[in-house]
Amino acid sequence: QKEVEQNSGPLSVPEGAIASLNCTYSDRVSQSFFWYRQYSGKSPELIMSIYSNGDKEDGRFTAQLNKASQYVSLLIRDSQPSDSATYLCAVILRAGNMLTFGGGTRLMVKP
Amino acid sequence: EPEVTQTPSHQVTQMGQEVILRCVPISNHLYFYWYRQILGQKVEFLVSFYNNEISEKSEIFDDQFSVERPDGSNFTLKIRSTKLEDSAMYFCASRGAKGNTEAFFGQGTRLTVV
Repeated sequence: QKEVEQNSGPLSVPEGAIASLNCTYSDRVSQSFFWYRQYSGKSPELIMSIYSNGDKEDGRFTAQLNKASQYVSLLIRDSQPSDSATYLCAVILRAGNMLTFGGGTRLMVKP
Repeated sequence: EPEVTQTPSHQVTQMGQEVILRCVPISNHLYFYWYRQILGQKVEFLVSFYNNEISEKSEIFDDQFSVERPDGSNFTLKIRSTKLEDSAMYFCASRGAKGNTEAFFGQGTRLTVV
């Protein structure tokens, strides 16, 4: 079983819609969860961090964490064409300090 | 805003040559990382560094790789004898403290081995 899993996509949504990106992880003791955005040829850019069960909102972005289901998601409201990118879920598994990345979901927002 | 900086942005080297990739982490951060991303593939962990020593490393980080923090500001990744399959983007990242803190990435070095 892969440690951090994401659907590779592409996920295509129309401009103005809500994009929903999902991620599952294998290790129950994981405590720290992150969403990064990566444009083609660029480095990962941190969007959100979440550490507790529930929702965390920042502007158009909402991260959701469910530790019992080992599931973390990212909602992007009012999607814009500039949101088109690959979204990477990253988890600090176990008790270490290493970020483990999922394979990423490619999001395409169509005008 | 503080940022992680990496040099060079692009390096071309011949197979078998040594390369050193350089990073300046955010100044008050304590944890430092190297990741790589082969074109079209996922971001892969190489090594983490804390308190002047390696704290974790992956299977990719074999004897050909080494890291160093020579002067309290720079953090370097050395590949002793490059192979064609080392061609990738290499990202440096830093993080403030253990626990619930966020890691920030540099802009990357594209390494091309020919």
